Amino acid sequence: GESVGLHLPTLSVQEGDNSIINCAYSNSASDYFIWYKQESGKGPQFIIDIRSNMDKRQGQRVTVLLNKTVKHLSLQIAATQPGDSAVYFCAETGGGNKLTFGTGTQLKVEL
Amino acid sequence: GAVVSQHPSRVICKSGTSVKIECRSLDFQATTMFWYRQFPKQSLMLMATSNEGSKATYEQGVEKDKFLINHASLTLSTLTVTSAHPEDSSFYICSARRGMGYGYTFGSGTRLTVV
Repeated sequence: GESVGLHLPTLSVQEGDNSIINCAYSNSASDYFIWYKQESGKGPQFIIDIRSNMDKRQGQRVTVLLNKTVKHLSLQIAATQPGDSAVYFCAETGGGNKLTFGTGTQLKVEL
Repeated sequence: GAVVSQHPSRVICKSGTSVKIECRSLDFQATTMFWYRQFPKQSLMLMATSNEGSKATYEQGVEKDKFLINHASLTLSTLTVTSAHPEDSSFYICSARRGMGYGYTFGSGTRLTVV
């Protein structure tokens, strides 16, 4: 059968509040980071990316912060909506071509 | 924008048979394609990286004779799960990249169930 894995960490927020999803990485050579949203039964959907020469990047309702000193990445979603409910993954390239995914966070938006 | 089509979206096969999954880049040429496997409530795990015209590079622990990858053209890569067993049941996802410096575009995934 399938492997039994850890349950995804869950973040529950009220509709309209801001959400902050965190991610830690270990490879100091990583120079490109991406946040993805994955809905049930679908492939990952690009949200926003950031390169290591930046520490902040903003998109529509989303902001990514990169702290290279502590190898930490965060995704901020402003005015969270029910449609934002999904699993969010950070991913990084480790300085190469392969994209490695973090463990993921389940975001649940409560009405 | 870049679009990747993955087919089939769902497949059920009998134990011992083989299944082929296709991944196509529809509006760009992909020098590199990636195959991932995802079990429920888990992250995407990279299985292999394939460059057009060359052999795929498999991640540690992934059996290359069981998961055959072909990347014969710049727009098509296939993953064949040979002699499938119930433990191969999973969600398989492909990704394509035009080249270094470009983004990664993902397919919609294939739900494989081996009975």
